[in-house]
Amino acid sequence: GENVEQHPSTLSVQEGDSAVIKCTYSDSASNYFPWYKQELGKGPQLIIDIRSNVGEKKDQRIAVTLNKTAKHFSLHITETQPEDSAVYFCAVRVNSGYALNFGKGTSLLVTP
Amino acid sequence: GAVVSQHPSRVICKSGTSVKIECRSLDFQATTMFWYRQFPKQSLMLMATSNEGSKATYEQGVEKDKFLINHASLTLSTLTVTSAHPEDSSFYICSARPSGGVDTQYFGPGTRLTVL
Repeated sequence: GENVEQHPSTLSVQEGDSAVIKCTYSDSASNYFPWYKQELGKGPQLIIDIRSNVGEKKDQRIAVTLNKTAKHFSLHITETQPEDSAVYFCAVRVNSGYALNFGKGTSLLVTP
Repeated sequence: GAVVSQHPSRVICKSGTSVKIECRSLDFQATTMFWYRQFPKQSLMLMATSNEGSKATYEQGVEKDKFLINHASLTLSTLTVTSAHPEDSSFYICSARPSGGVDTQYFGPGTRLTVL
């Protein structure tokens, strides 16, 4: 099945700095790559997604880049704020259907 | 828009009893819903894919007779944990994919199950 690797597992940045989280995948036919933010005790919230026909997508302070050749995609958060602190998961759509395979998550801490 | 609810949010039950968890898409129709399980500080593990009007597809290692899934309408899927045991204690999360060939999945808030 699809193997999704996510790094780093933990990330601590100061408020105002940028944060970058990277994921790699194994199936070159994968074509949908969402990012989710999960706060403690809550369900994951979709924050941005990208499809394989696009190299970059931006939504205010959040951006995702996709390198299909290298089979990796990254989440970029600029001007981080304490409320950005959460666990972030990347995911890859399983080629055979609409199910998602998730990375192991990155615990982001933004310190004031 | 794209709100998914789950009920209950928390449930505590005795070993051997069955527990039903509901997942509803509130403002859209969902042909497909998914059930995930998440252990503390771990990632989401797909348990099964639920398609409206047909049998669920279970992932390898997930017992279909223990985790009964019903997707009777385009806005409701239920997961019943039968004869629950302490090792079934976990955070169960559903997601719903809007009908119409859309890739996006929207997640519910999760249900914390504790089996004593």
